[in-house]
Amino acid sequence: AQSVTQLDSHVSVSEGTPVLLRCNYSSSYSPSLFWYVQHPNKGLQLLLKYTSAATLVKGINGFEAEFKKSETSFHLTKPSAHMSDAAEYFCVVSVSFGNEKLTFGTGTRLTIIP
Amino acid sequence: GAVVSQHPSWVICKSGTSVKIECRSLDFQATTMFWYRQFPKQSLMLMATSNEGSKATYEQGVEKDKFLINHASLTLSTLTVTSAHPEDSSFYICSARPLTSGRGRSNIQYFGAGTRLSVL
Repeated sequence: AQSVTQLDSHVSVSEGTPVLLRCNYSSSYSPSLFWYVQHPNKGLQLLLKYTSAATLVKGINGFEAEFKKSETSFHLTKPSAHMSDAAEYFCVVSVSFGNEKLTFGTGTRLTIIP
Repeated sequence: GAVVSQHPSWVICKSGTSVKIECRSLDFQATTMFWYRQFPKQSLMLMATSNEGSKATYEQGVEKDKFLINHASLTLSTLTVTSAHPEDSSFYICSARPLTSGRGRSNIQYFGAGTRLSVL
């Protein structure tokens, strides 16, 4: 079984300040982890993925995430927030083989304060 | 690359009618496509997994006869909401997993832009 917990339902940061969106996972097998972003009334866009290679993963738009097995975490960060980053972010877990089902977290809404 | 097109983006229908939603992978082949449902301000819930040339696998609690899924080719899957009712109003999103060659399998899914269904 696999699950993912997004610790904050809503995060607000000022433009130009760092962003931290927290995610913890649970998986019986070696996990694949993803962060997706969803803008209002839009589909999901893949930000980045971890699939057992480097633990620090760089994604699009300046986002990165670090896989920490000891903490079962996969937090998403960005050094400097931009207004266009305002959206809903989903942390997602999947096993690396067999069952390709994605299990979604409940989402974190990121608000950027001008 | 890896573009998934979903059509229509928004549909309004009368109660009792059926609505078909199309999901196409435009620049890659996908043996597996997934259908999700998303309620307002909530996460995505997997409804079914669609495999090309075979019957879809539905998640527990999803009515097979109400949500008909057809995956006739490596680039197209359709979801038909039959005899729609107001409680079926929701945001439906499809995704496609690329067909990969060689060792291992990719479990990356690429998502369509979603279809907002409103049943009056």
